[in-house]
Amino acid sequence: KQEVTQIPAALSVPEGENLVLNCSFTDSAIYNLQWFRQDPGKGLTSLLLIQSSQREQTSGRLNASLDKSSGRSTLYIAASQPGDSATYLCAVWGGSQGNLIFGKGTKLSVKP
Amino acid sequence: NAGVMQNPRHLVRRRGQEARLRCSPMKGHSHVYWYRQLPEEGLKFMVYLQKENIIDESGMPKERFSAEFPKEGPSILRIQQVVRGDSAAYFCASSPSATHNYGYTFGSGTRLTVV
Repeated sequence: KQEVTQIPAALSVPEGENLVLNCSFTDSAIYNLQWFRQDPGKGLTSLLLIQSSQREQTSGRLNASLDKSSGRSTLYIAASQPGDSATYLCAVWGGSQGNLIFGKGTKLSVKP
Repeated sequence: NAGVMQNPRHLVRRRGQEARLRCSPMKGHSHVYWYRQLPEEGLKFMVYLQKENIIDESGMPKERFSAEFPKEGPSILRIQQVVRGDSAAYFCASSPSATHNYGYTFGSGTRLTVV
């Protein structure tokens, strides 16, 4: 059964710092991995989608990497801003199930 | 393209009442997925539907919960005889196909409170 773990559960950094969020999954037979952002009381916003054949994807200050063989992904946020404060969710698609399996998220707080 | 539309945004029901949650997928998307987010927990898959068909309902509680995606109109998640434990945020997502080439697009969710 696929399980997704995100570490740390919460992170507080001063504005301007570069930071890394971690995601690990137990079944490497995935088709893709998606990073989302969730603001309090709001829905999910898709940030980056990495196919299983890809190693990384970039969008602006965000860079996500995927190491399928080791069951790991990282989300790198450069020059963090207070507006980046949110919960970041990692989800994998595939393995033994045909639906998205989510981690519990990392709650990020960027202090001005 | 208005994205995935869910309504209502907030729903309050008394114990024993019925809750009906609606989801209109993005234009061109024929695959709909419902997820539930309980307080302090991650999102959990409930059901996957295509037009007029339930493809996978392995995450749906066996009793009181049902889902449909008719040929015309939105997908509906129906919860009968709600209990306090049903209080959660319910999210709908859609995709244009079942293949892995596309990610999921989520709606803003319906927050159900059972009093």
